[in-house]
Amino acid sequence: GAVVSQHPSRVICKSGTSVKIECRSLDFQATTMFWYRQFPKQSLMLMATSNEGSKATYEQGVEKDKFLINHASLTLSTLTVTSAHPEDSSFYICSAPGPAAAGELFFGEGSRLTVL
Amino acid sequence: AQKITQTQPGMFVQEKEAVTLDCTYDTSDPSYGLFWYKQPSSGEMIFLIYQGSYDQQNATEGRYSLNFQKARKSANLVISASQLGDSAMYFCAMREGLSGSGNTGKLIFGQGTTLQVKP
Repeated sequence: GAVVSQHPSRVICKSGTSVKIECRSLDFQATTMFWYRQFPKQSLMLMATSNEGSKATYEQGVEKDKFLINHASLTLSTLTVTSAHPEDSSFYICSAPGPAAAGELFFGEGSRLTVL
Repeated sequence: AQKITQTQPGMFVQEKEAVTLDCTYDTSDPSYGLFWYKQPSSGEMIFLIYQGSYDQQNATEGRYSLNFQKARKSANLVISASQLGDSAMYFCAMREGLSGSGNTGKLIFGQGTTLQVKP
């Protein structure tokens, strides 16, 4: 099956710093990728849709300037949490649609961000 | 309005028994897909099973089957012969607009159900 790799898996940073999370499709091209956020024991909440070659589409209530998304190539999307604060601590997980038209989403391993 | 509803925050099942995890959905789109994912404590999302809105038969994948009742807008997951490794959080998800330009691909998730399998 298709593989999506996410890095780093864990990151701890000081308040005020920026953190970049990478999401790569390893064996297929992904013109679209999705970024989700998950708090403990809760559901995955869609943050934004990353589009190769164009601006990301953000869900209502998600700060564009806070969560910068760049889809640099057909296999790489990045999420940068700018000026991170403790309330940004969460599990961030990316996904990409598989090759089939109505197929599943393939997920990265997720990144656990802790802001001190 | 909630598009995907999982009403069971937590469930227990005895090992080797079957368990049903409930999922109801709300959509006016005639073309949609329903998914179930398993999320163990490690956080990875594991795809289990898929049901298309036009599929005539209920989907099955090994010990997993999907009880699809279109008129009632429900897509319950049935796990047969539960194993200790089935203990995890389970998410139902829906993807709308599979036909034409509305195929954005994004999945909307339910609240999740935590399943614990007892030895």
